[in-house]
Amino acid sequence: EAGVTQFPSHSVIEKGQTVTLRCDPISGHDNLYWYRRVMGKEIKFLLHFVKESKQDESGMPNNRFLAERTGGTYSTLKVQPAELEDSGVYFCASSQRTGANYGYTFGSGTRLTVV
Amino acid sequence: GNSVTQMEGPVTLSEEAFLTINCTYTATGYPSLFWYVQYPGEGLQLLLKATKADDKGSNKGFEATYRKETTSFHLEKGSVQVSDSAVYFCALCSANDMRFGAGTRLTVKP
Repeated sequence: EAGVTQFPSHSVIEKGQTVTLRCDPISGHDNLYWYRRVMGKEIKFLLHFVKESKQDESGMPNNRFLAERTGGTYSTLKVQPAELEDSGVYFCASSQRTGANYGYTFGSGTRLTVV
Repeated sequence: GNSVTQMEGPVTLSEEAFLTINCTYTATGYPSLFWYVQYPGEGLQLLLKATKADDKGSNKGFEATYRKETTSFHLEKGSVQVSDSAVYFCALCSANDMRFGAGTRLTVKP
């Protein structure tokens, strides 16, 4: 079984540019989560999809961030325009059922650096 | 709100040393507690978990006990190996709200 795949693994962009991160969850996993870790701090929740619907987007920091999951398969997270404070590692996770007790599988993350 | 506090790193140990990484939490209700590990170049992996008070999670020689009275879930290993070098994250989940600590980087030297 393939794991959660994130692309790219690293991205360096200039302030004001746009970046799109992609996450391919495990096939058949309806739940998809985005988290990020900024400057060595705690990993923070961004949002949760169930299939193509946003179940919870309370962690999205502002309207420069847009997440989509068309067709309920892969998801993209777009940052436009990027700011310096957006630098960090963005993790994606998927699970078959809702709730951490059922187990999340995380991707290896995308390290975003905004200069 | 719910939160997790874990000891700051980095932690550097010699091979076969004893490891403790402290983790305390604040939560309403009865959360489940987790330790995740991130090895270099890899994603977060679930290391162990405990779902109720006094449960002990264990895996790969690591252990943590859910202590409700002290709201703690300290990670321990009796004899670390170089291959244990990684970043360790304590986490809790309550009502489908998952919170992580800041992570502790462990380096084990031969």
